[in-house]
Amino acid sequence: GAVVSQHPSRVICKSGTSVKIECRSLDFQATTMFWYRQFPKKSLMLMATSNEGSKATYEQGVEKDKFLINHASLTLSTLTVTSAHPEDSSFYICSALTGAWDEQYFGPGTRLTVT
Amino acid sequence: SQQGEEDPQALSIQEGENATMNCSYKTSINNLQWYRQNSGRGLVHLILIRSNEREKHSGRLRVTLDTSKKSSSLLITASRAADTASYFCATDAHETSGSRLTFGEGTQLTVNP
Repeated sequence: GAVVSQHPSRVICKSGTSVKIECRSLDFQATTMFWYRQFPKKSLMLMATSNEGSKATYEQGVEKDKFLINHASLTLSTLTVTSAHPEDSSFYICSALTGAWDEQYFGPGTRLTVT
Repeated sequence: SQQGEEDPQALSIQEGENATMNCSYKTSINNLQWYRQNSGRGLVHLILIRSNEREKHSGRLRVTLDTSKKSSSLLITASRAADTASYFCATDAHETSGSRLTFGEGTQLTVNP
């Protein structure tokens, strides 16, 4: 099946720094990728939809300047958490569409801890 | 209430028993999907059921969909300790495009050996 990877799997950073998370589709081209955020014991919350070659579409309440998304190629989307604060600590998960518009393949997630 | 509410929030059973989880939603949908998530890991896609389907099977999994009641159920038969995980339903709403999914709050299933 389709494989999506994320890097890093865990990251600890200091307050005020920026962190970049990569999402890659390993064996398929993904025109659309999604970024989710998940708090402990909670559900996934869609942050933004990332389309290759165009600007990301952010969900209501998600700060565009805070969470920068770049989808520069058909296999890579990046999420940069800028000027991170402790409240940004969370589990960030990406997913990718194979193009069939039916099934999203999820990455393993990135645990961000801001100290 | 949110799209994709699930009950129960937590379910604890013995190995070999069946586990049933329910999901309700509010808008018209293209399809409904069930995912499993082990603690601290990514999501694993289990099964997709389209709005014109009523029941679907995959191994020990059985999913039903009642669009008139806007509800779905996931049945895991002959459960195993390895089935311990959180289970989420997700809806692909009819009025949106590009397969944006809305997730339910999830059911934490614990299967005791």
